[in-house]
Order: sequence, then structure tokens, then C-alpha cells
Amino acid sequence: KQEVTQIPAALSVPEGENLVLNCSFTDSAIYNLQWFRQDPGKGLTSLLLIQSSQREQTSGRLNASLDKSSGRSTLYIAASQPGDSATYLCAVMGFQKLVFGTGTRLLVSP
Amino acid sequence: EPEVTQTPSHQVTQMGQEVILRCVPISNHLYFYWYRQILGQKVEFLVSFYNNEISEKSEIFDDQFSVERPDGSNFTLKIRSTKLEDSAMYFCASSENRQSYNSPLHFGNGTRLTVT
Repeated sequence: KQEVTQIPAALSVPEGENLVLNCSFTDSAIYNLQWFRQDPGKGLTSLLLIQSSQREQTSGRLNASLDKSSGRSTLYIAASQPGDSATYLCAVMGFQKLVFGTGTRLLVSP
Repeated sequence: EPEVTQTPSHQVTQMGQEVILRCVPISNHLYFYWYRQILGQKVEFLVSFYNNEISEKSEIFDDQFSVERPDGSNFTLKIRSTKLEDSAMYFCASSENRQSYNSPLHFGNGTRLTVT
């Protein structure tokens, strides 16, 4: 059974810092890995999708890497801003379903 | 940008009552999903739906749950007789293609279900 773990559970940084969020998964037989952002009381916004054959994806200040063989992914956020404050969820796609981690709650202070 | 819409945003119901949660997926998407998130816990898969039938379901999705695509635009989740433990945020999602490679899921803002 696939298990997805995210560390740290919470992170508080001053504006402008670069930061790394970590995700690990137990079963490397995945189709892809997605990173989502969740604002309080809101839905899930897809940030990046990395196919199982890819090593990384970039979108603006976000860069996600995938090491499938070791079961790890990282989300790198450059030059963090207060608007980046949210919970970041990692999810791996197996057969027809996403398995989510518990998330990292990020607070970026001005 | 097209989005998945869910109604209502918040539903309060009494234990034992039936509820129907509604979703309008993105119009050209073919795969539809329901997930839920109990407060403070992980987002969990409930069911996937394609070509007017369930293609995958989790252990949570027992006989009390059903899904339907009653017309060309809506996708509904029915809980027949709600229990206290059904209280959660329910998310609808859709994707364009089979979730094998590069087709991301697009999620709605969710319906918060409170069972009293």
C-alpha cells in the first residue's frame, strides 16, 4: 500500500528566503507525482506535475524534482513571498487514484 | 481558465439523512473523481468514474455512497444515510485523459459536509 510522507509538517520563514519541501513515497511504481497548493477552506490548486520518466519540472519560482528509484520528491520555492503562505501537498498517481501526503504548512512572514 | 465547480460550499445535515453533493467538471474532461478530507487528515480517494461507470473505488466507498452523471454536465455524489464520521470536505476532480502520464487532476473548491 502506497504511503506518502511530507516533512516538515510546518515551516515558517521570512520573506525572500529560498526553501525546500520534501516528499517521500514507499512504492516507486507511480505514473506521476503532483504538487498542490491548498489555501484554508479552499480547494486544491495543481502547481506542478512530474511524469515518472522525468526528473524535474519548473514553473516560475517553483521547481520540483523527482527521484523515483529512491521514492523522493522535493519542491523548491525561490524568493518566497507572503502570498506563498499555504499548505503544500504532494500526491503520487498510481492506478487511477492519487495518494496524498499530509502536507507542509508554510508561513512566509513579511 | 475553465474550472471545476461544486455546490453547495457548505452542507449541514442530520445523521441518517441523505445528501447529494454536486459538481460540474471541466467540459472536455472524461474522467471524474471524488476525494474527501476529514479535518486535520489527508485527502483520501473515494471513487473514479469514466464512461458512465465506476472504474475504481476505495474501501471508504461502501453501499452508502453512490455516484451519478445524470446529464452531460453534472457529476453527483450521494450519501444515502449520513453518519457523524462522514463529516468532511468533499472534493470533486476531473481530468482530460486517463491518469497515466501527464494529465493533471483539476479540483473544485470542495463542499464542507457537517453531519450533526
